[in-house]
Amino acid sequence: GAGVSQSPSNKVTEKGKDVELRCDPISGHTALYWYRQSLGQGLEFLIYFQGNSAPDKSGLPSDRFSAERTGGSVSTLTIQRTQQEDSAVYLCASSLPNYGYTFGSGTRLTVV
Amino acid sequence: GNSVTQMEGPVTLSEEAFLTINCTYTATGYPSLFWYVQYPGEGLQLLLKATKADDKGSNKGFEATYRKETTSFHLEKGSVQVSDSAVYFCALETSYDKVIFGPGTSLSVIP
Repeated sequence: GAGVSQSPSNKVTEKGKDVELRCDPISGHTALYWYRQSLGQGLEFLIYFQGNSAPDKSGLPSDRFSAERTGGSVSTLTIQRTQQEDSAVYLCASSLPNYGYTFGSGTRLTVV
Repeated sequence: GNSVTQMEGPVTLSEEAFLTINCTYTATGYPSLFWYVQYPGEGLQLLLKATKADDKGSNKGFEATYRKETTSFHLEKGSVQVSDSAVYFCALETSYDKVIFGPGTSLSVIP
């Protein structure tokens, strides 16, 4: 597609439930990133996929968070046993090296 | 490791004032530098970029020059408008590594 697509755009879940967030990057972009942004805060790096290399998971805040990228394209971020502090906007971006990111519009996750 | 430092906000300016948002970086190698903008209620957008020393990125009246000697990439605009009110993020990227973002600077332009 023309841009990075994320779904759902909004998700409300109960504490303790698992959620899956999806990202469809721009076709041909080799790199895919997940960030999260809490209200009024900056960007917190979560995970980075580059081509066929092992992902950089250094930003995942706990073992409740995991992500995969299938076939070098679509990515799913999974949060298990959600907590209230997981509430944030989860942003996905894709890029070619040194061209700058194209961000999706994000998934707003609210844990109640 | 690589890092980006931006001036703390919020910055409040009157319409038509001159804007500077300072950004300095620490990086190994020769990074590409970016400014992203996030308008209220929207996602991040790439505003401008520069990929080598002395390059000037420009877009929508904003400019930033890649200064290797001072490791800086300050964002400037000669005359801001109310519609420029947003959060601005400076960022760097080194080859085949993740982009590092600064903390963001909130700009409010009042009529």
